[in-house]
Amino acid sequence: EPEVTQTPSHQVTQMGQEVILRCVPISNHLYFYWYRQILGQKVEFLVSFYNNEISEKSEIFDDQFSVERPDGSNFTLKIRSTKLEDSAMYFCAIADRINQPQHFGDGTRLSIL
Amino acid sequence: GESVGLHLPTLSVQEGDNSIINCAYSNSASDYFIWYKQESGKGPQFIIDIRSNMDKRQGQRVTVLLNKTVKHLSLQIAATQPGDSAVYFCAENIMNTGFQKLVFGTGTRLLVSP
Repeated sequence: EPEVTQTPSHQVTQMGQEVILRCVPISNHLYFYWYRQILGQKVEFLVSFYNNEISEKSEIFDDQFSVERPDGSNFTLKIRSTKLEDSAMYFCAIADRINQPQHFGDGTRLSIL
Repeated sequence: GESVGLHLPTLSVQEGDNSIINCAYSNSASDYFIWYKQESGKGPQFIIDIRSNMDKRQGQRVTVLLNKTVKHLSLQIAATQPGDSAVYFCAENIMNTGFQKLVFGTGTRLLVSP
């Protein structure tokens, strides 16, 4: 079983709409990550989050993206105005320490129409 | 630059055979590597990891080999089973002050025939 639960499993949204993807860790963890995987391609890093702030983000993670951990439990990824090219699987990952394995959820499939 | 790549996009084997999946990385400063298995509709699942102070690490039916001289990783699966059919990714752990991120390879699809 994954150490994180992601919801929804599939999100279909019109271009230009906002989406929020959610990740709920099963237990307490320190490091949180979002990755994305366009169909048939490799998994790409988006952002890392530690101590309630972003510690690193990729070029993909532009001003349309944001993350937060509003209640100390859920970890969310928001895309403000979706584009067709945002269609992908989005994976949340957690880790307990630096230089330890990251463990992934089963992802949210985001389809932009 | 940071890049991790795989030599073979698809590997087909018979049940019971041993499988070897290869991976090249380019960042000679990397010191931690992870293999993940991804089944259809699921997220990457941790299989085994290795640190740069080791050449070999064994798990249950899996072995990872690290050759730092040529920046090459391999994943060996013994007595491959149909349930091993999946896409396998190597990932390079890139570290900086206060953060880490994984750089994934393009993946190798392993097909196991009964």
